[in-house]
Amino acid sequence: EAGVAQSPRYKIIEKRQSVAFWCNPISGHATLYWYQQILGQGPKLLIQFQNNGVVDDSQLPKDRFSAERLKGVDSTLKIQPAKLEDSAVYLCASSWPRQAYTGELFFGEGSRLTVL
Amino acid sequence: QKEVEQDPGPLSVPEGAIVSLNCTYSNSAFQYFMWYRQYSRKGPELLMYTYSSGNKEDGRFTAQVDKSSKYISLFIRDSQPSDSATYLCAMSANTGGFKTIFGAGTRLFVKA
Repeated sequence: EAGVAQSPRYKIIEKRQSVAFWCNPISGHATLYWYQQILGQGPKLLIQFQNNGVVDDSQLPKDRFSAERLKGVDSTLKIQPAKLEDSAVYLCASSWPRQAYTGELFFGEGSRLTVL
Repeated sequence: QKEVEQDPGPLSVPEGAIVSLNCTYSNSAFQYFMWYRQYSRKGPELLMYTYSSGNKEDGRFTAQVDKSSKYISLFIRDSQPSDSATYLCAMSANTGGFKTIFGAGTRLFVKA
């Protein structure tokens, strides 16, 4: 079974520039998550999709972050304009709907963003 | 106060030691409790999860949940250098939809 795919793995940009991250979940997983992991901290949920609908985006900084999941499969997370404090690893995860209750999430390797 | 508290370590032990990793939490609504392992520059991977209070064993790993004390533990027996990683506790609650909250992670080093 192929895992969660993310790209790019690494990205370096200057503040105020924009960046986009892409995620392809495990086939058949209806629930998709974007987490932000700052160095030395645990992952923080940014947004959760069920198919192509948003379940939770309460911690997404909507003035600069946006995410979409067209057709209920792939997802894109965009940051525009980036700030220094956005330097982090952006983790995409997916699960079957019931696993959203049990916390059984399957993570990709992450996209590491450095904002200079 | 954070919802989930976890000592970041680092914790350094010799090979073969028993390792105890712990988390405390404040939200009594948490129902599912998970332990994830994260190797450097990799995504977290689920080790095991438990529902409500009690113990669960899987090979060298044992997870314990004490809801009365709001305290969860992960024990690793016969630790190996390959166990060197960051261990994240996580828990989920139905707060108008289930959300999984992670601790900060404990870095573990097992020395050969």
